[in-house]
Amino acid sequence: GAGVSQSPSNKVTEKGKDVELRCDPISGHTALYWYRQSLGQGLEFLIYFQGNSAPDKSGLPSDRFSAERTGGSVSTLTIQRTQQEDSAVYLCASSLSGAGEKLFFGSGTQLSVL
Amino acid sequence: AQSVTQLGSHVSVSEGALVLLRCNYSSSVPPYLFWYVQYPNQGLQLLLKYTTGATLVKGINGFEAEFKKSETSFHLTKPSAHMSDAAEYFCAVSDGDSSYKLIFGSGTRLLVRP
Repeated sequence: GAGVSQSPSNKVTEKGKDVELRCDPISGHTALYWYRQSLGQGLEFLIYFQGNSAPDKSGLPSDRFSAERTGGSVSTLTIQRTQQEDSAVYLCASSLSGAGEKLFFGSGTQLSVL
Repeated sequence: AQSVTQLGSHVSVSEGALVLLRCNYSSSVPPYLFWYVQYPNQGLQLLLKYTTGATLVKGINGFEAEFKKSETSFHLTKPSAHMSDAAEYFCAVSDGDSSYKLIFGSGTRLLVRP
């Protein structure tokens, strides 16, 4: 595709439910990132995928958060047993090869946990 | 660990005036420094980046930034503000140990008065 695609654009869920957020990166980009943007704050790193290497999960805030990337392309971020503090914009980005490269961001998924 | 500070969550300038958005990082010299911009209802996009070489970096839309190691700064400037510059600006630096990981500041919202 022309850019990084994220779905859904908005998700409203009830506390305790599980949610799945999807990211479709730019074709040919080997690096994929998930960030979280909370109101009035900067972007918080969550996880990084590079090709077939083991992902860097160091930013995941708890074991309720997980992510996978299938076939080196599409990625899914899963949040189990959602809490109100999980409400934020979840951003996906991809780049050609990782370090020092320009990140191409998607428009994000606005998650609201009631 | 690397950290980024952006002074001023909001900056207001008159159209035609100088734009100065401040960014400071923690003491360890990051390999890469970036400015990203988020226009209303759009995703983040790269404004400029510093990797190596000349410390004055030019970006899109007339913006430039200077890497000053002695001041641990990477301030963003534009000589003459335009109404279309109104947006949120994020400074980001790469993490020393994991250079693919970008650490973002909390952002500065630029308001341009007619």
